[in-house]
Amino acid sequence: DAKTTQPPSMDCAEGRAANLPCNHSTISGNEYVYWYRQIHSQGPQYIIHGLKNNETNEMASLIITEDRKSSTLILPHATLRDTAVYYCIVRPRNNAGNMLTFGGGTRLMVKP
Amino acid sequence: ETGVTQTPRHLVMGMTNKKSLKCEQHLGHNAMYWYKQSAKKPLELMFVYNFKEQTENNSVPSRFSPECPNSSHLFLHLHTLQPEDSALYLCASSQEVAGGYYGYTFGSGTRLTVV
Repeated sequence: DAKTTQPPSMDCAEGRAANLPCNHSTISGNEYVYWYRQIHSQGPQYIIHGLKNNETNEMASLIITEDRKSSTLILPHATLRDTAVYYCIVRPRNNAGNMLTFGGGTRLMVKP
Repeated sequence: ETGVTQTPRHLVMGMTNKKSLKCEQHLGHNAMYWYKQSAKKPLELMFVYNFKEQTENNSVPSRFSPECPNSSHLFLHLHTLQPEDSALYLCASSQEVAGGYYGYTFGSGTRLTVV
């Protein structure tokens, strides 16, 4: 997997948008950007993924730069329940033996 | 409930005990995984099973012994553990299709404390 770099921690006010950056400057053409989050003492939860177009679902939006070297996960209206560690992972969508591996992630603290 | 169920949620065991962690998935997936998450460390992949066959063992000590009797169940047998083995053990499953792995889903984990 290509290496990703994320800030270790961020704060966000409740009700505001949380913008979580991720750098993946060595990403390959066939690698997707995946985001997972892990709420304290639970297993990681899939959020969203994308290749080069921006993506949106009921949980979040994913903005990928045109050169694909970085991306931003946006939680449009953060709630206290969004406090978690957010992991940005790049991996090929079709690659036998390519397992999901995690880095340190960003610890997001949503404050009242 | 994610469709991947782990039991027990919490386990305290002595260094001479033998215990087993259980994972069951109800998603029809054909690949299952054990991950370890120690305090303040990233998740570490331990074992991978694909169609009940172990395909990866990331240099895990032999005091951890996985078992996959069928594609829905995965066990992690523990014996003579050390205090540094205390961690959150997570099970995950996914669907292998044409060489790709899709739909990773994690259980809630077993919090293991070795005393």
